[in-house]
Amino acid sequence: QVQLQESGPRLVKSSQTLSLTCTVSGGSISSGGYYWSWIRQHPTKGLEWIGYIFYSGSSNYNPSLKSRITISVDTSKNQFSLNVNSVTVADTAVYYCARGWWGYYDAWGQGTLVTVSS
Amino acid sequence: VLTQSPGTLSLSPGERATLSCRASQTVSNNYLAWYQQRPGQAPRLVIYGASSRATGIPVRFGGRGSGTDFTLTISRLEPEDFAVYFCQQYGTSPWTFGQGTKVEI
Repeated sequence: QVQLQESGPRLVKSSQTLSLTCTVSGGSISSGGYYWSWIRQHPTKGLEWIGYIFYSGSSNYNPSLKSRITISVDTSKNQFSLNVNSVTVADTAVYYCARGWWGYYDAWGQGTLVTVSS
Repeated sequence: VLTQSPGTLSLSPGERATLSCRASQTVSNNYLAWYQQRPGQAPRLVIYGASSRATGIPVRFGGRGSGTDFTLTISRLEPEDFAVYFCQQYGTSPWTFGQGTKVEI
C-alpha cells in the first residue's frame, strides 16, 4: 500500500520560498499514469489544487499560482517536491501531497501546516 | 466553480444524508469525486467517476448524477461518517474542489 509523507520547514518568512518534499513509499513513483500532486487547505477552508507532475517530468499547474510555483520529481529518491516563491501570509495552509489517478486522489500524505510569518 | 449544499447537515445516527454538488458548467465525462475528511486527517476518497465507490468504502455510500448536478448519499449514518465531505471535478483543468458540507450530529 503506497504511503506519502511531506517534509520541509513549517515556518517561512514572507517574500521567501516555501519548499516541501514528498517521499513515496510502498510503490514506485515511476509507475506510469499517476499524477503526483500538491494540494493545500487554508485554515478552516476548502481545498485548493496546486498542480501535478508525472514521473517523466511533465507537469500542470493551477493558473492562479503558476507564476510562483515549481513542482519537480526525483525518481532515484522516489520523491517529488514543491517550491512556492515570494510567499505571503495568504500562503499559510496545510499542504498535502497526493497520488492522482485519472485526476482523482486515492492516496494522501498526512499533511503539513506551513505558516508564513510577516 | 463547484457549489456544495447544504453547508452543514445536522442528523442522527441511522438517518439518511443527502449532499449536493452543483457545477457552474458541465463536468466533462462526469469526472466527479467525493472525499471524506475527519478532523485532523487528510481527505479520503469515497466516490470517483460520480458513482464508483473507492476501495474499502461501505455500500451505504452512493454517488449519482451527471452534467452539472451530483449527489452523495449515505443511506444510514454511522458514528464514523460524521465529517466534512468535499466534491472535486477533474474533467477540466484546473481541477477544483467544492467548499465542503459538514455532516454533524
